[in-house]
Amino acid sequence: GAVVSQHPSRVICKSGTSVKIECRSLDFQATTMFWYRQFPKKSLMLMATSNEGSKATYEQGVEKDKFLINHASLTLSTLTVTSAHPEDSSFYICSARGGAQDEAFFGQGTRLTVV
Amino acid sequence: LAKTTQPISMDSYEGQEVNITCSHNNIATNDYITWYQQFPSQGPRFIIQGYKTKVTNEVASLFIPADRKSSTLSLPRVSLSDTAVYYCLAAGGGADGLTFGKGTHLIIQP
Repeated sequence: GAVVSQHPSRVICKSGTSVKIECRSLDFQATTMFWYRQFPKKSLMLMATSNEGSKATYEQGVEKDKFLINHASLTLSTLTVTSAHPEDSSFYICSARGGAQDEAFFGQGTRLTVV
Repeated sequence: LAKTTQPISMDSYEGQEVNITCSHNNIATNDYITWYQQFPSQGPRFIIQGYKTKVTNEVASLFIPADRKSSTLSLPRVSLSDTAVYYCLAAGGGADGLTFGKGTHLIIQP
């Protein structure tokens, strides 16, 4: 199946700093990528839809100035958590559609810990 | 995006066949049914997808009745490594993100 690679897999940062997470589609082009957030023992929550060459679409309640999304090419989307605070600590997962059945493929996830 | 309902948890033993049923009463005509598996601290992994009747691949089978209001994921001869959360989704393709329900936490015991 198609491969979506996410980097880094885990990151620890200090409060007030910004962290960038990369999501790449390795063997297919993705005009649309998605960013999810997952708290412990909870399900994935869609945060935003990343569109190549245009602004991202954010779900209700997600601060676009806090979670900056850039989709500069057909294989790369980035999520930047700006001025991170401990409550931003979570598991962030990206996804892209591809493959023969247009199924969604997910990255490995990024464990963000803000101290 | 159709809402899905699945059991919160299930237990089984190694070597058994496990069937997880999902209901999606409001499934739309263009929705496909897709199942994902997620291990702790990993992204979900695609298992199988279908529209109607039966679909089988190397890891699972998916049974969908004619009314498509439910579906059953069948895992043959499970092993300890099949312990994971399994998500059922009913959604169309294209530009929409996926809405995940609570999933089924499957626990396989020796």
